[in-house]
Amino acid sequence: DSGVTQTPKHLITATGQRVTLRCSPRSGDLSVYWYQQSLDQGLQFLIQYYNGEERAKGNILERFSAQQFPDLHSELNLSSLELGDSALYFCASSGSGAGNSEQFFGPGTRLTVL
Amino acid sequence: EDQVTQSPEALRLQEGESSSLNCSYTVSGLRGLFWYRQDPGKGPEFLFTLYSAGEEKEKERLKATLTKKESFLHITAPKPEDSATYLCAVQAGGYNKLIFGAGTRLAVHP
Repeated sequence: DSGVTQTPKHLITATGQRVTLRCSPRSGDLSVYWYQQSLDQGLQFLIQYYNGEERAKGNILERFSAQQFPDLHSELNLSSLELGDSALYFCASSGSGAGNSEQFFGPGTRLTVL
Repeated sequence: EDQVTQSPEALRLQEGESSSLNCSYTVSGLRGLFWYRQDPGKGPEFLFTLYSAGEEKEKERLKATLTKKESFLHITAPKPEDSATYLCAVQAGGYNKLIFGAGTRLAVHP
């Protein structure tokens, strides 16, 4: 158990809909990262938040957005869903400062868009 | 562009048959190289971090090494429970994001 929690575990929805994925980092970790894992693309970085502020963006679609709240949990919002958005979405967290570069991953949310 | 390539894509071993997985990388300013294990439908599990060429880390039957161009994950006398996908990732430049390779699917048969 990494200490990172994600809800829900599974999500099935229709094209055009909007969903919210939730992540709670390990106790004390300030950084939260979101990754998408699909069969053809592998694990791809989406976005990073550090202590409530957006820190880095990857190839995240404009239909996707995220935020980190004062209690450090994070939410990833996916809107106008398309079939190709079906994937596993992982959240990871890490500490700050030297020696805290390791990212610990949650169990993921499997999104299926029908 | 930063790139991570893993080989082989898949590897089948008999229990006790040692082997190595390869991770080659092309990045500007390597800050760290990471190995993860991922079981089907689960999140990646952290194994090792390597920071500089010549560094080695060990954990049970696994040993990770790093050179200036590649990393190896050596598996000694594997057991069926070592079956999983092994992912290599790098951090480079001023960014904390991980850039992942496609992984090596390892199957260890009794």
